[in-house]
Amino acid sequence: ETGVTQTPRHLVMGMTNKKSLKCEQHLGHNAMYWYKQSAKKPLELMFVYNFKEQTENNSVPSRFSPECPNSSHLFLHLHTLQPEDSALYLCASSQETKKGYDSNQPQHFGDGTRLSIL
Amino acid sequence: GESVGLHLPTLSVQEGDNSIINCAYSNSASDYFIWYKQESGKGPQFIIDIRSNMDKRQGQRVTVLLNKTVKHLSLQIAATQPGDSAVYFCAEIPWGGYNKLIFGAGTRLAVHP
Repeated sequence: ETGVTQTPRHLVMGMTNKKSLKCEQHLGHNAMYWYKQSAKKPLELMFVYNFKEQTENNSVPSRFSPECPNSSHLFLHLHTLQPEDSALYLCASSQETKKGYDSNQPQHFGDGTRLSIL
Repeated sequence: GESVGLHLPTLSVQEGDNSIINCAYSNSASDYFIWYKQESGKGPQFIIDIRSNMDKRQGQRVTVLLNKTVKHLSLQIAATQPGDSAVYFCAEIPWGGYNKLIFGAGTRLAVHP
């Protein structure tokens, strides 16, 4: 049990479908993140939400749309994806203090959603 | 589907031996360096971190060494066990980017009985 739960664990979708990935953290954290892990590139940060506000969009295409309705839930809405979007999508959370990185509060990751685009 | 994957370097060790996993970084302005472990089918798990003003930090069975002169980071695992088999990633946090992890490509550790 990681404290960060992602659903579904696996998703296969066509390029014209619309689907959503869900992440829920049970750690009382105030920041949540989406990462992409593909076979071709190292883990890449996509989006950051601090206190429910989006503070980072790492040049992610608009076909990926994040939503953070509260500090415990994070969604990634998918629309008109491309085959190169097939990857493992990881969610993470942490407790941010606005004083910089805290060694006692590292990012905790979920186990990811394996996404395959047909 | 994906045609070409990242070629992860693999370190093969015997159970009980010590392991040393290396990482080179490019940003001399990074504030923290962090090691994560990712087992098959799981998300990355925090192992240990080190701040840029330190050279060495020890945890339980792990030691991280930082050589800023050559921009090199290493993770030493003592008495490696089969449960240590995983992909290990180093990550850095730039100054002022306190919640932005920049990951390296990773090293696969294979522990043989």
